[in-house]
Amino acid sequence: AQSVTQLGSHVSVSEGALVLLRCNYSSSVPPYLFWYVQYPNQGLQLLLKYTTGATLVKGINGFEAEFKKSETSFHLTKPSAHMSDAAEYFCAVSLSRLTGRRALTFGSGTRLQVQP
Amino acid sequence: DTAVSQTPKYLVTQMGNDKSIKCEQNLGHDTMYWYKQDSKKFLKIMFSYNNKELIINETVPNRFSPKSPDKAHLNLHINSLELGDSAVYFCASSQGDVHTEAFFGQGTRLTVV
Repeated sequence: AQSVTQLGSHVSVSEGALVLLRCNYSSSVPPYLFWYVQYPNQGLQLLLKYTTGATLVKGINGFEAEFKKSETSFHLTKPSAHMSDAAEYFCAVSLSRLTGRRALTFGSGTRLQVQP
Repeated sequence: DTAVSQTPKYLVTQMGNDKSIKCEQNLGHDTMYWYKQDSKKFLKIMFSYNNKELIINETVPNRFSPKSPDKAHLNLHINSLELGDSAVYFCASSQGDVHTEAFFGQGTRLTVV
């Protein structure tokens, strides 16, 4: 069964500092990988995704993530945090390409706090 | 113009009642979903419909019944509400395979008292 692990339920950084949110997946075959962001009392918004091709993926708001098959990881980074980045971040996977199952499996989420 | 809209946004009801949550998408997508987010923010798929056909039905109590009258709508009806049903319910849609972007609604916060 596929699963997603996000290390650290809370991450706090200073404004301007590097943001690193960790995500590891367990699957014998690389899945499709996603990062979503959830602002308070709102729905989820896609930040970026990896399907095939280039392993370094750039997303919205200056975020990027790198798919590392050898490490089964898809960590999210941003060089310089902004106050507006404070939100809940979810890593998600899908194996729909192989199983036909059209649904995302989400990690437990990481709350990012940005200190002034 | 909202892509995926859910109504109501907030729902407070007593145990034992029956309630419905409606979802509409204007993106022309062929697949719609219901996800449940619990108090610890954990998100889990409940149902998925493709072209009005149920394709995913997770281990959800029979009290939950989805209905898709057409490709643009997916409603969730809940019978005999229990305290444990309190959560935020998200509707989402995508076109074709889920590796394409899934668009989420704003969520419906259900509180059962």
